[in-house]
Amino acid sequence: GEDVEQSLFLSVREGDSSVINCTYTDSSSTYLYWYKQEPGAGLQLLTYIFSNMDMKQDQRLTVLLNKKDKHLSLRIADTQTGDSAIYFCAERLNNNDMRFGAGTRLTVKP
Amino acid sequence: DSGVTQTPKHLITATGQRVTLRCSPRSGDLSVYWYQQSLDQGLQFLIQYYNGEERAKGNILERFSAQQFPDLHSELNLSSLELGDSALYFCASSGVYGYTFGSGTRLTVV
Repeated sequence: GEDVEQSLFLSVREGDSSVINCTYTDSSSTYLYWYKQEPGAGLQLLTYIFSNMDMKQDQRLTVLLNKKDKHLSLRIADTQTGDSAIYFCAERLNNNDMRFGAGTRLTVKP
Repeated sequence: DSGVTQTPKHLITATGQRVTLRCSPRSGDLSVYWYQQSLDQGLQFLIQYYNGEERAKGNILERFSAQQFPDLHSELNLSSLELGDSALYFCASSGVYGYTFGSGTRLTVV
């Protein structure tokens, strides 16, 4: 399809792991991204993965990429209340334009 | 500071009025993208400029227009404003590692 798909909501308890999933559209996308949007703020680049990688780890963040299924996930270990935000998945197309998902609103309960 | 500057941060105006939102891209970036984010909704791509030329159009209303100037800053003009135009308006510029977003202009139409 033409849409990058994400679940709209995820709720976890503080200290648990969060996993946010995304299905993207173009198997030839060169980079896949995760952006974080805190309330009232703009989107900040959280992490990205090049399409020839399967996994990327950066402190509490782990990105997994399954190119065959066009599936991207973001795992946040030891989720904190400060991780509450909207997380956008995005793919970079061959023309360098980016296509964004609708965003997953992560709520972390104490 | 992301390097993408948007002004003003907040704007309150009445229905029927016209406003101009301004964006300065990150130094060296030639592309500017405009997005609209309504409450609890994802990003809606409006329009893209590259080095002064319009390059792509998304779901932009005829009441809205944009331009990019020789110094690469861009302006988004919204006219005949309606209550439903109340939203966050973001611009982004494109670099090697994806889009960098400004902090947005929150437009409230009353």
